[in-house]
Amino acid sequence: EVQLVESGGGLVKPGGSLRLSCAASGFTFSSYSMNWVRQAPGKGLEWVSSISSSSSYIYYADSVKGRFTISRDNAKNSLYLQMNSLRAEDTAVYYCARSDLTGDGAFDIWGQGTMVTVSS
Amino acid sequence: SYVLTQPPSVSVAPGKTARITCGGNNIGSKSVHWYQQKPGQAPVLVIYYDSDRPSGIPERFSGSNSGNTATLTISRVEAGDEADYYCQVWDSSSDHAVFGGGTQLTVL
Repeated sequence: EVQLVESGGGLVKPGGSLRLSCAASGFTFSSYSMNWVRQAPGKGLEWVSSISSSSSYIYYADSVKGRFTISRDNAKNSLYLQMNSLRAEDTAVYYCARSDLTGDGAFDIWGQGTMVTVSS
Repeated sequence: SYVLTQPPSVSVAPGKTARITCGGNNIGSKSVHWYQQKPGQAPVLVIYYDSDRPSGIPERFSGSNSGNTATLTISRVEAGDEADYYCQVWDSSSDHAVFGGGTQLTVL
């Protein structure tokens, strides 16, 4: 079964850091681009970051650039999001999603999400 | 930055056709993807590359894209289609993915 499972969410104080992980199974992870998408409570979807299959291409939303770092370990079938200098407005459910292309590709498989709450 | 505009809500009676629009500057030149999200669940891809359907998505779901508007059409709407729907494109000028604000589909 093709599956993505996020972990690492939790409660963190403003200015703090958190590292999210996404474990992939059921497909050849190294052949796909991967993405992070977030959804604040009661709000719509917001793209966060994308990384190509070999990590050659990396893109960030303006709202997180310079604070978040996306990475992947193809040997471990895992995607990561290092989040630093967290703000209240980063509070959201964070989803990892697979795409067949970096850029135009659709997000065809999604994880169940992990909740990040930034509050003092 | 590129903006996608969706109506906040669409209502339709069971068995009728729902059309959800996604407006953007010359969106017809971009590939549009559509996602369905039910409460408490992760999004699900229902249409990709304007009009293709993933396996497992009913034929009742279709898509089109031309000019400044992309449209998701759901024929013979069922109660189970009630959900939020989001359109999405890749903006190559900024190298950003962009989501529309979402449309809540209500089945009357």
